[in-house]
Amino acid sequence: ELKVEQNPLFLSMQEGKNYTIYCNYSTTSDRLYWYRQDPGKSLESLFVLLSNGAVKQEGRLMASLDTKARLSTLHITAAVHDLSATYFCAVDERGGGADGLTFGKGTHLIIQP
Amino acid sequence: DSGVTQTPKHLITATGQRVTLRCSPRSGDLSVYWYQQSLDQGLQFLIQYYNGEERAKGNILERFSAQQFPDLHSELNLSSLELGDSALYFCASSPSGSSYEQYFGPGTRLTVT
Repeated sequence: ELKVEQNPLFLSMQEGKNYTIYCNYSTTSDRLYWYRQDPGKSLESLFVLLSNGAVKQEGRLMASLDTKARLSTLHITAAVHDLSATYFCAVDERGGGADGLTFGKGTHLIIQP
Repeated sequence: DSGVTQTPKHLITATGQRVTLRCSPRSGDLSVYWYQQSLDQGLQFLIQYYNGEERAKGNILERFSAQQFPDLHSELNLSSLELGDSALYFCASSPSGSSYEQYFGPGTRLTVT
């Protein structure tokens, strides 16, 4: 059974600080997805990582993928309050959409002024 | 706005009843996925349809069923509802059978009383 583990599950940090969210998974898939969810809202796609060593950046967020270690990271640089949300990583087990996505439990991020 | 629409937004019903949730994918997307989000189980993949055919099954209960119609909209039918079925139900779509980036709809919040 595919497992996707995120840590931490809860993170409270101050504006201006840097932090990293970790996502470990148990399959050999080389596709990993990061989503953002605001309270009561839908999931917004942040990054799609498709190969080993992939790195993508958007604003203060940067995601990377190490398929050998089965690890992805989401790094937050100089956090601002607007980044407060729950962040999910997800894996596509067979890499071809055959099974839908398996999600981690999410990291609830609160950024305080 | 992802372009995926779901109706209704909210649904309140009693135990033992049956409901139908509707999803219209983004224009041109052939694949539709259904997910359930609850506090207990997190985000779980239920089922995928591709161009009218069932493509993959996840943790979908036997009381639940889905279909995708020729115009590509999809319906998720939930029957013999239990309190534990209360959750947010999301539909997502992607351009092909691959889950290379799924776009999520706003969700239907189901409350079973």
